[in-house]
Amino acid sequence: KQEVTQIPAALSVPEGENLVLNCSFTDSAIYNLQWFRQDPGKGLTSLLLIQSSQREQTSGRLNASLDKSSGRSTLYIAASQPGDSATYLCAVMDSSYKLIFGSGTRLLVRP
Amino acid sequence: SQTIHQWPATLVQPVGSPLSLECTVEGTSNPNLYWYRQAAGRGLQLLFYSVGIGQISSEVPQNLSASRPQDRQFILSSKKLLLSDSGFYLCAWSVSGGLNEQYFGPGTRLTVT
Repeated sequence: KQEVTQIPAALSVPEGENLVLNCSFTDSAIYNLQWFRQDPGKGLTSLLLIQSSQREQTSGRLNASLDKSSGRSTLYIAASQPGDSATYLCAVMDSSYKLIFGSGTRLLVRP
Repeated sequence: SQTIHQWPATLVQPVGSPLSLECTVEGTSNPNLYWYRQAAGRGLQLLFYSVGIGQISSEVPQNLSASRPQDRQFILSSKKLLLSDSGFYLCAWSVSGGLNEQYFGPGTRLTVT
């Protein structure tokens, strides 16, 4: 059974700092991996999708990497801003096209 | 462009009452549709998914059911709510046969009292 773990559960950093969020999964037979952002009381916003054949994806200040063999993904946020404060969720899509979510990392960027 | 709507945004219902949550998608045809629940302190749990009208797959046995009466409409229902049904319900869609990137709606906050 696929399990997704995100570390740390919470993170507080000063504005301007570069940071890395970690995601690990137990079964390397994934179809893709998605990173989402969730603001309090809101739905999920898709940030990046990495297909299983890819190693990384970039969008603006965000860069996500995937190492399928070791069951790991990282989300790198450059030059963090207070507006980046949110919960970040990692999800892997298994071979039956179902998304399995981690429990998220709650990020606070202090002004 | 595609948009996804959910209503109501919030709902407070007594135990034992019925439930109907609606999700509609605009700007695409034959999407895959999903219902998730996010309970307090827990991750997102897939409840139902649908690849076409009338085709519903259930992931978790419970007192909830789902229906897809139209191509871009997905409904979550219950005949009798339990306290444990409280949570944040999210609908999502993806392009059929595409990368399967899922896009989420704004959610419905359900409180069962």
